[in-house]
Order: sequence, then C-alpha cells, then structure tokens
Amino acid sequence: QQQVKQSPQSLIVQKGGIPIINCAYENTAFDYFPWYQQFPGKGPALLIAIRPDVSEKKEGRFTISFNKSAKQFSLHIMDSQPGDSATYFCAASKRKGYALNFGKGTSLLVTP
Amino acid sequence: DVKVTQSSRYLVKRTGEKVFLECVQDMDHENMFWYRQDPGLGLRLIYFSYDVKMKEKGDIPEGYSVSREKKERFSLILESASTNQTSMYLCASSLLVRDEGQYFGPGTRLTVT
Repeated sequence: QQQVKQSPQSLIVQKGGIPIINCAYENTAFDYFPWYQQFPGKGPALLIAIRPDVSEKKEGRFTISFNKSAKQFSLHIMDSQPGDSATYFCAASKRKGYALNFGKGTSLLVTP
Repeated sequence: DVKVTQSSRYLVKRTGEKVFLECVQDMDHENMFWYRQDPGLGLRLIYFSYDVKMKEKGDIPEGYSVSREKKERFSLILESASTNQTSMYLCASSLLVRDEGQYFGPGTRLTVT
C-alpha cells in the first residue's frame, strides 16, 4: 500500500518554466518530508527537505510548499533548466534518518 | 563526502541461485537500508538496520534476508533467486540524528534468468 502518492508520473516543460510535482500522504505520524533527485545510472540524491512546522522552504531554485491540514506537499522548480531533467521522488518518514516511504516518482524533461 | 559503494553495478544470476549484494559506507552511519526500484513503482523498502546485528523488515521482505556484522557493511541476500526479483537494488545509509537525509549508492542492476 503506497503511503505517499505522487503526481504526475511524467512532466515536460520548456526551459524557464516552473514544473510542479505534487505529493499526498495519509499517515499523520510522518514528520519529515524530503525530495530526492535521480539522474540515469545514479542513485537518488537528497535535494531538499521540510518539516511540518513550516509551510515553505526554498533552496536555490527549488521550493517545497507544505499544507499540513491537507496532508499535501509539492516541489516547485523555478527557472527550470535542461540540466534539471531527472526523476524526482517525494518521500516521508516518521523521523529524519529513519526509513523512508517513497512516492512512485516523476520523470521531468526540460526542453531547451 | 559520504560514499556508499555497492559490490556490483550489474549482476546476472540463474533462478534458484543464492545471491549476495554487498553495501559499504564510509561515514560511520548508524542506519542502513536496502530498497528495490522498479519502473512505475518507485523505491520500495526491503530491510533496514539501525545498528550492528539488528534488522527490521521493510515493506517487501519476502524472499530476502540481510546481515549486518559490521557497522559499515550491510548485505542483502536472495536465498533462492527468482525472476520476479529482477530489479535495481539500492543501498542507502544515514545518520540517526542529523538532518542530512539518506545517502544512496549507485545501485546494482540484478537480472535473474
């Protein structure tokens, strides 16, 4: 049973666009929500993470928005670049450092 | 930099063989994890370990076992490989208390024929 639901499955945007990837969860015990980025042939790498006590976190061009009441969180990529083309996974866990529950992933393609 | 290494990038085994996948991390992390990654299914947790000699089942432990005899090494064992275990296997490690997330190895693409 998927504990974190991610959409869309794939996304194509033009360079400079703002792709948005959405995730939803049910388990209110989750309190750590990271996003991972994976390039072909590589393992996932931590991109940005948020705790439920804040509604937004920015790191460079990447922003997480968090809606605790709706149990939803999303990743926005500002001024997207072709180098951002990768698969993105949202995840959730009960504590940072503990086992993660991953979404199914979103394949992002940023065209020149 | 944290480094998580996996013993093989590609592995081909026959049905019924016993398969060992090895993972080593060099940053003294307490936690280690094994996931499998399949298209359209994301990453699914097989087993994890918070300390030497301890292990806990993840979401899909059937057909797998693990061993953690040393802090830096976490092994995944397929007791009798089956074709439905053909997958990408990813190892990860993390510190328990620091907010650095999990560090992943490059993965082992296992094909069972």
